[in-house]
Amino acid sequence: EAQVTQNPRYLITVTGKKLTVTCSQNMNHEYMSWYRQDPGLGLRQIYYSMNVEVTDKGDVPEGYKVSRKEKRNFPLILESPSPNQTSLYFCASSPIAGVKNIQYFGAGTRLSVL
Amino acid sequence: TQLLEQSPQFLSIQEGENLTVYCNSSSVFSSLQWYRQEPGEGPVLLVTVVTGGEVKKLKRLTFQFGDARKDSSLHITAAQPGDTGLYLCAGARNYQLIWGAGTKLIIKP
Repeated sequence: EAQVTQNPRYLITVTGKKLTVTCSQNMNHEYMSWYRQDPGLGLRQIYYSMNVEVTDKGDVPEGYKVSRKEKRNFPLILESPSPNQTSLYFCASSPIAGVKNIQYFGAGTRLSVL
Repeated sequence: TQLLEQSPQFLSIQEGENLTVYCNSSSVFSSLQWYRQEPGEGPVLLVTVVTGGEVKKLKRLTFQFGDARKDSSLHITAAQPGDTGLYLCAGARNYQLIWGAGTKLIIKP
């Protein structure tokens, strides 16, 4: 089954404790992206990657890191999480970037930073 | 700054009524997409409109892209409880999607 898989689905952590949210897609998509979703703000892009070893900042990259060593995986790293990073996070992939950039989303990771 | 304004933010109506959701911007987009998101899940694409003035229909849902490619609307005819969800519009610009904040739609039986 074609899908984008995120883990974990739920995570509660404390300020400053490094964490990684994994994302994997099995559709051989070139473009992958991380978003955070907050009430009233919609989806905001954190980072995106157009291909292996190519990553770029989105609209809200501060406090986050990503890597794209393999085409299928795009982990999101929070080196020192803070409470303002409490949010619902989505990974998405797309066959190509551009005009018809159709995003396929994972089920989301709900993160709480205490 | 919200580059893509979606309205209304929240809508609760009775089954059988019609409704329209709007997505407006001062910017031009190369395409505009509509997604639907249910609780505990990621957004799922409903439709993509590319050409100014384009109209697409998906059963009881009608999507329209403005002539100037700056705005879009989603019209639902005879809404049903199964239409309940969060509706999101997203405009494509270069290699990114610009998202609206969403319209939370509740259809009461």
